[in-house]
Amino acid sequence: AQSVTQLDSQVPVFEEAPVELRCNYSSSVSVYLFWYVQYPNQGLQLLLKYLSGSTLVKGINGFEAEFNKSQTSFHLRKPSVHISDTAEYFCAVSEPRNNDMRFGAGTRLTVKP
Amino acid sequence: ETGVTQTPRHLVMGMTNKKSLKCEQHLGHNAMYWYKQSAKKPLELMFVYSLEERVENNSVPSRFSPECPNSSHLFLHLHTLQPEDSALYLCASSQGVPSGANVLTFGAGSRLTVL
Repeated sequence: AQSVTQLDSQVPVFEEAPVELRCNYSSSVSVYLFWYVQYPNQGLQLLLKYLSGSTLVKGINGFEAEFNKSQTSFHLRKPSVHISDTAEYFCAVSEPRNNDMRFGAGTRLTVKP
Repeated sequence: ETGVTQTPRHLVMGMTNKKSLKCEQHLGHNAMYWYKQSAKKPLELMFVYSLEERVENNSVPSRFSPECPNSSHLFLHLHTLQPEDSALYLCASSQGVPSGANVLTFGAGSRLTVL
């Protein structure tokens, strides 16, 4: 079965600095990849997804991610973060015809002024 | 009401109690899910319903009993829970037949504490 590892449990960063949140996956077949964000006291919201095609995916709020098949990675990036980006970020992987989307343990991004 | 609504938002129960969590989606989706979110652990898929039929049950203990009376409502009935069942329970919905490509829309969750 597929699995996800988020390499950093916490990432502190100053406002307007760039950030990268790392995600690696494991699967024996082709995959779909997602990044979700969870703000305090809220459910998860989709940031972006990779299903096929271009390996560089752009999402909401200025985030983007790049699918790297050879390195089995799907890192999330933003060139300049805001205080409002403070949240928990989850990477997820699923396989075609499989109902079981697997999530990573999450990375808490804290943006400091 | 829009999106996915979960009630109650917070629930405290003893190990011998019986309670239920409710989820309602206003998006016209036809698949609904229960996930368990424990601190410092990945989200765990518990149940999946498609067109009111259960299509996935990830070896969840029988003390958790789901019910999906229609495509807009999903319940999780709880009885004789254990303290380790304390967690945030998230409901989600999606359009189309459940598959790996589905985008999930989540509710805000029900925070359960078992004493």
